[in-house]
Amino acid sequence: GAVVSQHPSRVICKSGTSVKIECRSLDFQATTMFWYRQFPKQSLMLMATSNEGSKATYEQGVEKDKFLINHASLTLSTLTVTSAHPEDSSFYICSARRTGNYGYTFGSGTRLTVV
Amino acid sequence: DAKTTQPTSMDCAEGRAANLPCNHSTISGNEYVYWYRQIHSQGPQYIIHGLKNNETNEMASLIITEDRKSSTLILPHATLRDTAVYYCIVLSNDYKLSFGAGTTVTVRA
Repeated sequence: GAVVSQHPSRVICKSGTSVKIECRSLDFQATTMFWYRQFPKQSLMLMATSNEGSKATYEQGVEKDKFLINHASLTLSTLTVTSAHPEDSSFYICSARRTGNYGYTFGSGTRLTVV
Repeated sequence: DAKTTQPTSMDCAEGRAANLPCNHSTISGNEYVYWYRQIHSQGPQYIIHGLKNNETNEMASLIITEDRKSSTLILPHATLRDTAVYYCIVLSNDYKLSFGAGTTVTVRA
């Protein structure tokens, strides 16, 4: 149990376009989901926390207008990278917290390349 | 938030136990210790977590000192597939998992 599906696994987009990444909890309800970014040879950096039905909270230094997060249901959160630039190229990973206990399950990540 | 300190890297022999230390001297009484690992270009994989008592599951054992200022993750019989970056994380009171640099574990045949 506790599977998180993240899609797409890889995406290449042109500068100035937007990209949407989906994160789904397949067999549990996730009241809270988290979005991370990871640059090569670095650790995961928490970008934002999304709670179902409310606005996401962003970590310091993360532009909320650039990284739009929507958590419309207990099983789906999306991250949209708007007006992408090459410096946004990174590995984006979501995580879902299971309701009622402290289990956190991670998606397999999305490799974004902006050209 | 309680910080953790881990060795940057360690090697271990295939088939032997791997003991991964972690210091978390500023941990609060109700904060859990979590261990995850990340194999290259994949999402982190949950290993184990604990509060005070030692824990064991099919993947590993977690030994937490009585004062809770440090812990050790034990992989009982390391295999080549255990090569990964291992993260020791103290879960903050706002339920956020913040990753440090972790320990790069290389299992050698």
